[in-house]
Amino acid sequence: TQLLEQSPQFLSIQEGENLTVYCNSSSVFSSLQWYRQEPGEGPVLLVTVVTGGEVKKLKRLTFQFGDARKDSSLHITAAQPGDTGLYLCAGLLYNFNKFYFGSGTKLNVKP
Amino acid sequence: AAGVIQSPRHLIKEKRETATLKCYPIPRHDTVYWYQQGPGQDPQFLISFYEKMQSDKGSIPDRFSAQQFSDYHSELNMSSLELGDSALYFCASTQGGGRYEQYFGPGTRLTVT
Repeated sequence: TQLLEQSPQFLSIQEGENLTVYCNSSSVFSSLQWYRQEPGEGPVLLVTVVTGGEVKKLKRLTFQFGDARKDSSLHITAAQPGDTGLYLCAGLLYNFNKFYFGSGTKLNVKP
Repeated sequence: AAGVIQSPRHLIKEKRETATLKCYPIPRHDTVYWYQQGPGQDPQFLISFYEKMQSDKGSIPDRFSAQQFSDYHSELNMSSLELGDSALYFCASTQGGGRYEQYFGPGTRLTVT
């Protein structure tokens, strides 16, 4: 079992639709990161959230860290084909100084 | 800004051969992680180094070894290559032994024939 569970695993939507990806755990994290990876490329860091309840916005992407720092969400508004990729959450487990990756969400945005 | 550098970007080897992958972390980063990513899978942690010492070990086969050098670059040595070793290998760097976010390199695509 994965320490960080992402849902959905796969998502195929039309351009212009909104979507939310979830990253859930029963463990507490000191910080949580979201990455986007395109085929054959390395994951690119999108954001780091540190404080419970924190919300960060990156253009059409909104990231939220849960109040208890056990979960996070990524919301994309008006998705575009350029958003297509694998979205990975990763967290630094509290008191363990070790990173864990989520299971990933494959997003396909059709024009 | 300088990023993580990996070399080579592509490598083709035959079964039972050896391969060496190199990773040059972002300047002033003292921690390096190695990951293996098979087709359609998320990255699987192999091994990490902090200040030139192994800090954590994941699912790294015994046929693989790695080290971090005095200039903080790292090398992943892979011997007796198998077809199943074909994958993307990523290196990521950070500072402080892993208390901060990781930055990934572009990866090395290894193909074993």
